[in-house]
Amino acid sequence: EVVMTQSPGTLSVSPGETATLSCRASQSVSSNLAWYQLKPGQTPRLLIYGTSTRATGVPASFSGSGSGTEFTLTISSLQSEDFAVYYCQQYNNWPPALTFGGGTKVEI
Amino acid sequence: QLQLQESGPGLVRPSETLSLTCTVSGGSISSSSYYWGWIRQPPGKGLEWIGTLYYTGSAYFNPSLKSRVTISVDTSTNHFSLKLSSVTAADTAVYYCARHVLTYNYGSEIKGWFDPWGQGTLVTVSS
Repeated sequence: EVVMTQSPGTLSVSPGETATLSCRASQSVSSNLAWYQLKPGQTPRLLIYGTSTRATGVPASFSGSGSGTEFTLTISSLQSEDFAVYYCQQYNNWPPALTFGGGTKVEI
Repeated sequence: QLQLQESGPGLVRPSETLSLTCTVSGGSISSSSYYWGWIRQPPGKGLEWIGTLYYTGSAYFNPSLKSRVTISVDTSTNHFSLKLSSVTAADTAVYYCARHVLTYNYGSEIKGWFDPWGQGTLVTVSS
């Protein structure tokens, strides 16, 4: 099973700043990586798939990069609505299991 | 616009079976382009994939849960269901259903990302 490790666990930033979130895979997942945004009480939202393709309606302030085992989600010019928990997910090496990272909380 | 909605009891007693239904609206569950999945998030923890199925009934499960999980589909009512048996407090979580998008990797079809998701339903296991 591919283990996905996200860092940092919590990222404290100010509105208008840039947040850089990392996701590392225990083995190569090629470019088969997605990012999600979760907010309390709200429906989880797909942000990025295929490492760098933004989902429909996702603003250009969100960008993804990387390949193999190292991936990055960058959120530029942070808005109040961007404060949330972000998860990466690999879909390259399964079965046996499709796996998520442990999440990064972006807070003020 | 495709929407998914989870439903089921919010409280389940230990050792019993958790049963949830996901109703799909705005699209057909019988689409050949998608699978359908269940994901959960225990309080204060991360996301865990539970299982994924196709409208034909073929399914894949997380090995850590496989012995306790049943996933089924009803194309006539456009919904799919999750059953998790012999639950314990560790199964307390928000349970999400989602559409599982098919993609291709070097010419081979793979089950990729989840989009969209339901809003989730909290299931508490307690006596």
